[in-house]
Amino acid sequence: RKEVEQDPGPFNVPEGATVAFNCTYSNSASQSFFWYRQDCRKEPKLLMSVYSSGNEDGRFTAQLNRASQYISLLIRDSKLSDSATYLCVVDHQAGTALIFGKGTTLSVSS
Amino acid sequence: DTGVSQDPRHKITKRGQNVTFRCDPISEHNRLYWYRQTLGQGPEFLTYFQNEAQLEKSRLLSDRFSAERPKGSFSTLEIQRTEQGDSAMYLCASSLDAVNYGYTFGSGTRLTVV
Repeated sequence: RKEVEQDPGPFNVPEGATVAFNCTYSNSASQSFFWYRQDCRKEPKLLMSVYSSGNEDGRFTAQLNRASQYISLLIRDSKLSDSATYLCVVDHQAGTALIFGKGTTLSVSS
Repeated sequence: DTGVSQDPRHKITKRGQNVTFRCDPISEHNRLYWYRQTLGQGPEFLTYFQNEAQLEKSRLLSDRFSAERPKGSFSTLEIQRTEQGDSAMYLCASSLDAVNYGYTFGSGTRLTVV
């Protein structure tokens, strides 16, 4: 089983749609969880951390399910500018380097 | 510019040549990471430093690869006897508190081995 698994997509949605991405991780000892956004041929940028109680930042909601070892990202009211690859990121164990999933590609069209 | 800086942005080299990349982290960040990314893949961990100490190396880091951070500030990544399979984006990142705030990445160095 890969350490961090994501559905690569692509997810093609119209503007205004709600879209959700899931990610599973293999190590139950993982402590830190993030979603990064990466635009084509650019570096990854932190979108949001994921906390145990779930957290929201504007149109973006992240949730963590430790029992099932999965993380989700919900994007409401999609904008054209949300088109990007979304990377699920987990630490292998506390204090070690972060492990990135392959990413899920989102394309929002008008 | 207070971000992570990488140099060069692009490098084209012939197979068998050696190349060296440089990364300047955010000045107050004590941890520095190197990742490699190929098309359609997420960034793959290579190695990281806390100050000048190299604390972890991936199995991806073959003996042709070496990284240094001699004074705990900038870092270099050298690839000796490059192979076509080394063609990738090499990303550097730095952090002060990765557990809570993740990393900040540089723009990367795109290596093409011909």
